Amino acid sequence: DAGVTQSPTHLIKTRGQHVTLRCSPISGHKSVSWYQQVLGQGPQFIFQYYEKEERGRGNFPDRFSARQFPNYSSELNVNALLLGDSALYLCASILIPAGGRNEQFFGPGTRLTVL
Amino acid sequence: KNEVEQSPQNLTAQEGEFITINCSYSVGISALHWLQQHPGGGIVSLFMLSSGKKKHGRLIATINIQEKHSSLHITASHPRDSAVYICAVPGTSYDKVIFGPGTSLSVIP
Repeated sequence: DAGVTQSPTHLIKTRGQHVTLRCSPISGHKSVSWYQQVLGQGPQFIFQYYEKEERGRGNFPDRFSARQFPNYSSELNVNALLLGDSALYLCASILIPAGGRNEQFFGPGTRLTVL
Repeated sequence: KNEVEQSPQNLTAQEGEFITINCSYSVGISALHWLQQHPGGGIVSLFMLSSGKKKHGRLIATINIQEKHSSLHITASHPRDSAVYICAVPGTSYDKVIFGPGTSLSVIP
């Protein structure tokens, strides 16, 4: 049984470009959360999606957007990339959101480098 | 004051030593996560606990809800335990998770 998968593993972009990161949750899990982890810091919450709808959003600019598909996979999009967007982007899978009472299972992350 | 704090920030231990990592939090929680992150970046969930103690192999996690404190213990530490250990608690809404700053553990042979 596959865990959380993310693609690509690594990505290099230049300032001003846009990027799309993908996440497939654990089979049967209906909720996905996205986190940004800048080097040397803990992950910061970006979005949570459940049943294709946004349930929560962290303190990130509108350049960051996401969506969830009928198969519960998700995409994170970042437009007009800045150097500061360089980070590890983590996706977490949750069976059904329950206000923090459910365990989150994390994917391996996508390491984005913006030059 | 950060909502989740960990100590120590960095820890170097000799193989075989007993290790303790502490986590304190200021928010009311329903559960607390201990996570492990290796240099490659992926995060592995070690424990999720809401009371008492849990044990898995050489890892033991305890939590005191009244004191808002949790500890992660590693017995008979091994170099493969070298990683960053992160304490995380649920946020105030939906399933946002608030991460602690992490404790970087290095176990030397």
